[in-house]
Amino acid sequence: KNEVEQSPQNLTAQEGEFITINCSYSVGISALHWLQQHPGGGIVSLFMLSSGKKKHGRLIATINIQEKHSSLHITASHPRDSTVYICAAWLRGGNEKLTFGTGTRLTIIP
Amino acid sequence: GAVVSQHPSRVICKSGTSVKIECRSLDFQATTMFWYRQFPKQSLMLMATSNEGSKATYEQGVEKDKFLINHASLTLSTLTVTSAHPEDSSFYICSARVDRYEQYFGPGTRLTVT
Repeated sequence: KNEVEQSPQNLTAQEGEFITINCSYSVGISALHWLQQHPGGGIVSLFMLSSGKKKHGRLIATINIQEKHSSLHITASHPRDSTVYICAAWLRGGNEKLTFGTGTRLTIIP
Repeated sequence: GAVVSQHPSRVICKSGTSVKIECRSLDFQATTMFWYRQFPKQSLMLMATSNEGSKATYEQGVEKDKFLINHASLTLSTLTVTSAHPEDSSFYICSARVDRYEQYFGPGTRLTVT
């Protein structure tokens, strides 16, 4: 079992819909990232957070440390939001390193 | 934001040859860079942590003699895949650490070994 789990793996929605992608982790973390991976493979960092909530444009990221859970929300989704979103966490203990979820492929239909 | 470049973006090589991939931090200095590998439809897996001026730290199962990492300056780390085999074909991506938990990723290198 992966220490960082994402759901859903694939998500298709209509343009304008409110999107939620979930990330849960099994151990304590120091920080969590939400990343966007484009078709060519390049990765862009959207958010880094260790508590609370962050907002940038139509994107909102929240984290609940006690419940070991984070969500990425997209409001007023648009076809250009279609790509892969990845959750990654710095897991505490021993060899601290960034551990990645398997990603969520989002497709927004016009 | 900080920019990390990788070169080449795509490379095809014959089995048995070696390939060098460069990772550069363009507008900042990075004492630590990370090298990841990603197989199709899988998540990124850390291969090694590259520290400027010292030996890289490899993850379990990664052959250090096959994947040579050199971090000779604060802006450049290189990964050399030696004696490449078709099973080494993958997407290799580097990142450069800005502070303890923040890092920026390069655009990646797609390696195909024929």
